[in-house]
Amino acid sequence: KAGVTQTPRYLIKTRGQQVTLSCSPISGHRSVSWYQQTPGQGLQFLFEYFSETQRNKGNFPGRFSGRQFSNSRSEMNVSTLELGDSALYLCASSLQGSTSNEKLFFGSGTQLSVL
Amino acid sequence: AQSVTQPDIHITVSEGASLELRCNYSYGATPYLFWYVQSPGQGLQLLLKYFSGDTLVQGIKGFEAEFKRSQSSFNLRKPSVHWSDAAEYFCAVGASGNNRKLIWGLGTSLAVNP
Repeated sequence: KAGVTQTPRYLIKTRGQQVTLSCSPISGHRSVSWYQQTPGQGLQFLFEYFSETQRNKGNFPGRFSGRQFSNSRSEMNVSTLELGDSALYLCASSLQGSTSNEKLFFGSGTQLSVL
Repeated sequence: AQSVTQPDIHITVSEGASLELRCNYSYGATPYLFWYVQSPGQGLQLLLKYFSGDTLVQGIKGFEAEFKRSQSSFNLRKPSVHWSDAAEYFCAVGASGNNRKLIWGLGTSLAVNP
């Protein structure tokens, strides 16, 4: 069974640009969560999607958005990039995601560098 | 508010030595507790989790963790560390109910000397 796939693996953008990251969950998983990981802040929850609906959202500005498609694949978009958006963006999938006691399966992440 | 503290930012141990990584949490009720490991350039992998029952939990790769309610701790242990255990370790706390917002510690970086 294939794992969680995130593309691209690396991205370099300049301030003001926008970026779209993609995540394909494990087959059969309906929940996809996104996290931002930085050395100083650790893992911070961005949002979770389940059956194409955003179910939970973290404390990030509206520049960060996402969506989920009918095949459970998810995309995350960041508009008007800032230097502080440089981070590793991780996607995690799980079967139902209905409670926080479910095992998360993580992708290898997309390393975003904003110059 | 929920919080997770991993007091040790970086730990170095010798191969074959025992290991204990500390995790303290703040939560009003019994939380769901997790330890994840992140190898360089990789995503996170679940080592073990505690929901209820036996307070000593066995995980993968020879790791175990003990839930101590009185100390609000969930420390990760391994009796004999292997060089391949060098990685970043994260403790996380989850709430009961439908809130999926896991709260994560900042991680402990483990280096293993040969």
